[in-house]
Amino acid sequence: GAVVSQHPSWVICKSGTSVKIECRSLDFQATTMFWYRQFPKQSLMLMATSNEGSKATYEQGVEKDKFLINHASLTLSTLTVTSAHPEDSSFYICSARGGGENSPLHFGNGTRLTVT
Amino acid sequence: AQRVTQPEKLLSVFKGAPVELKCNYSYSGSPELFWYVQYSRQRLQLLLRHISRESIKGFTADLNKGETSFHLKKPFAQEEDSAMYYCALPSGGYNKLIFGAGTRLAVHP
Repeated sequence: GAVVSQHPSWVICKSGTSVKIECRSLDFQATTMFWYRQFPKQSLMLMATSNEGSKATYEQGVEKDKFLINHASLTLSTLTVTSAHPEDSSFYICSARGGGENSPLHFGNGTRLTVT
Repeated sequence: AQRVTQPEKLLSVFKGAPVELKCNYSYSGSPELFWYVQYSRQRLQLLLRHISRESIKGFTADLNKGETSFHLKKPFAQEEDSAMYYCALPSGGYNKLIFGAGTRLAVHP
């Protein structure tokens, strides 16, 4: 089945530094990937839609200069949290579709970011 | 605007008891709804989708357009069903998914 790999699984960084999270579709091509954020004991909140070869589409309230998304190829999307602050600490999850627009989403294992 | 509501944060039952996890939605048109499950320390995975009308791990969900509901049901809960369950709905371009708040199902022996 379709597998989405996310790296790293967890990262701790100092306030003011930037962190890059990778999302890869291992056995399928994904023109579109989605980035979610999940706070403890809360639901997944969609941050942005990552499109291969074009700019990402951000949800309302998400700072695009803060959360840089690059979809460099059909199997890789990256999310960079720039100038991270403690309030950016969260669980970031990417997902992708293995087929057409109506096919189900496959999720990565998530990345736990802790900013100290 | 599209919205998914899961009114219960926690549902606690004993093994063998029936389970119903509630999901209500707001959507203009004919929605395609999903149930995703997240077991402890595992990634989110698809449990079932209404369009396929299948039963997975004994769970079923029927779309009720009149009540705008897509409740997840299982006649006899098992301990291994303990997990977080999320109802989800496509919204907007790229059929991006929006999720309900989730319901934690705890099945006790």
